[in-house]
Amino acid sequence: GAVVSQHPSRVICKSGTSVKIECRSLDFQATTMFWYRQFPKQSLMLMATSNEGSKATYEQGVEKDKFLINHASLTLSTLTVTSAHPEDSSFYICSARAAHGTGELFFGEGSRLTVL
Amino acid sequence: AQSVAQPEDQVNVAEGNPLTVKCTYSVSGNPYLFWYVQYPNRGLQFLLKYITGDNLVKGSYGFEAEFNKSQTSFHLKKPSALVSDSALYFCAVRGNNAGNMLTFGGGTRLMVKP
Repeated sequence: GAVVSQHPSRVICKSGTSVKIECRSLDFQATTMFWYRQFPKQSLMLMATSNEGSKATYEQGVEKDKFLINHASLTLSTLTVTSAHPEDSSFYICSARAAHGTGELFFGEGSRLTVL
Repeated sequence: AQSVAQPEDQVNVAEGNPLTVKCTYSVSGNPYLFWYVQYPNRGLQFLLKYITGDNLVKGSYGFEAEFNKSQTSFHLKKPSALVSDSALYFCAVRGNNAGNMLTFGGGTRLMVKP
């Protein structure tokens, strides 16, 4: 099946620094990628939808200046958490939708961010 | 607006017994329905999907789900649970419009005890 690679899987940073998380579709082209945030024991919350070559669409309540999303190519989207604070600590998951098919999403393994 | 309900936060079952994880949905038009499994500190893994065709869908690891249009349900089932099935399970739905987002249920934690 299709593979989505997410890197890094774990990252620890100091408060005030910025962290970049990459999401790559390894064997297919993804015109659309999605970024989710998951709090402990909770479901996934859609943060934003990233379309290749255009600005991301953010969900209500998600700060676009805080969570910078770039989708520069059909196989790569990045999420940058700027000026991270401890409350940004979470599990971030990306998914990619293939350009063709039934719209099934393929998920990355997730990135656990811990802000000290 | 589309929505998914997983009424049980946790399901406990003994190994070897059948398991059911419930899911009901609401969506405009014909639904595309999915089940995903998540192990601790991992991303989601695709289990199975219903797009069209037979109401009983078979997926990975011996799981299956039955689409019931009249009850708007898509319950996940397995005839004989394994301890290794213990994980968090998410049901998801989207409408058949290509631009529709995937909406997830709240998740159900499955605990299979030896």
